[in-house]
Amino acid sequence: AQSVTQLDSQVPVFEEAPVELRCNYSSSVSVYLFWYVQYPNQGLQLLLKYLSGSTLVKGINGFEAEFNKSQTSFHLRKPSVHISDTAEYFCAVTPHTNAGKSTFGDGTTLTVKP
Amino acid sequence: DAGVTQSPTHLIKTRGQQVTLRCSPKSGHDTVSWYQQALGQGPQFIFQYYEEEERQRGNFPDRFSGHQFPNYSSELNVNALLLGDSALYLCASSLGLAPGYEQYFGPGTRLTVT
Repeated sequence: AQSVTQLDSQVPVFEEAPVELRCNYSSSVSVYLFWYVQYPNQGLQLLLKYLSGSTLVKGINGFEAEFNKSQTSFHLRKPSVHISDTAEYFCAVTPHTNAGKSTFGDGTTLTVKP
Repeated sequence: DAGVTQSPTHLIKTRGQQVTLRCSPKSGHDTVSWYQQALGQGPQFIFQYYEEEERQRGNFPDRFSGHQFPNYSSELNVNALLLGDSALYLCASSLGLAPGYEQYFGPGTRLTVT
């Protein structure tokens, strides 16, 4: 079984400041890792994913994440946030051999203040 | 190109009733997964349909059932509704069952059970 822990339920930050949203996972099998964003009253949108290769992954909207296998972490970062980045962010894992069953964390609410 | 669509947007039901939610996948996608997102939590995997068969299932009781039609659209049925079934139900579509696939999410159906 897999589990995902998002270490911060809420992250307030000022506009143009850097931000890091933390995600740790636990799994007995190899997994793929994902970050999704959910804006109010909308579905989830994929920000980025790690499948293999370089552990630094770049996604949409200037976000990037680094996979750390030894620490089983997949933290999301952005060097300078905008008001429009205010949303709920979810980290998720999917087993290599079980493509259908994604496990999500409980989300981190990012609030960007002017 | 239409993305994933879900209907209805909102639904209010009474305990003990039955409900059917509908999902049309993104054009070109043949796999549909359903998730339950309770307030303040991440999505929980319910099941996945591919080639009109249930391929994967999460830890949900048999009250939750589904169907996939030849045009790849899908239904989620919940019988004997409980108050705890109140949630946002998300549908996600993808192409095939290959690991690392990208899921596209619909806006969800908000179900309230009173």
